[in-house]
Amino acid sequence: SQQGEEDPQALSIQEGENATMNCSYKTSINNLQWYRQNSGRGLVHLILIRSNEREKHSGRLRVTLDTSKKSSSLLITASRAADTASYFCATDMDSNYQLIWGAGTKLIIKP
Amino acid sequence: GAVVSQHPSWVICKSGTSVKIECRSLDFQATTMFWYRQFPKQSLMLMATSNEGSKATYEQGVEKDKFLINHASLTLSTLTVTSAHPEDSSFYICSASRGGTKNIQYFGAGTRLSVL
Repeated sequence: SQQGEEDPQALSIQEGENATMNCSYKTSINNLQWYRQNSGRGLVHLILIRSNEREKHSGRLRVTLDTSKKSSSLLITASRAADTASYFCATDMDSNYQLIWGAGTKLIIKP
Repeated sequence: GAVVSQHPSWVICKSGTSVKIECRSLDFQATTMFWYRQFPKQSLMLMATSNEGSKATYEQGVEKDKFLINHASLTLSTLTVTSAHPEDSSFYICSASRGGTKNIQYFGAGTRLSVL
């Protein structure tokens, strides 16, 4: 159930800088979601963008979606040490409740 | 809202024993629950999808007799790892969905299984 690729695989930046992660997928989608996973924990839903949307904001998060390129990006602005986690994109298709997961980006914010 | 509880969070067992993991949606009714396995530094691997009152749908390569899933109610699903062996050691995560067009999954905290 994994079709997405994410890059970079790992990203280490200084606190206060912006972090950008990218996700690519292979098939047409209904929605694309981003989730966060702290080490050894479950995942937390961050934001959802529909296939007919191009950009969405939620607090310090900004997500873009380019369906022509089958790609999305997640931007975290003014990063904090607490943003250290792995971030996964997930897509779904028609009438199928399964999510197709990307490989994830491990983000480390250095204080 | 949308809290999912998974229990236990960590279990150590001897080879050959069975282990049951519970997944409960605490404040909503879940139309569908999912069971994932996650290897270190990897993404989620879907094991099975379950709907209340019906048999789970297993992904290719997942042994249904090995990983028994029971979805007894709209708020509870269980995964039983039968006759566990060291190769079953892994991180197991459940999630629940309310359904609808947004299809957001709400995750439990995961269960770390170590089989000796």
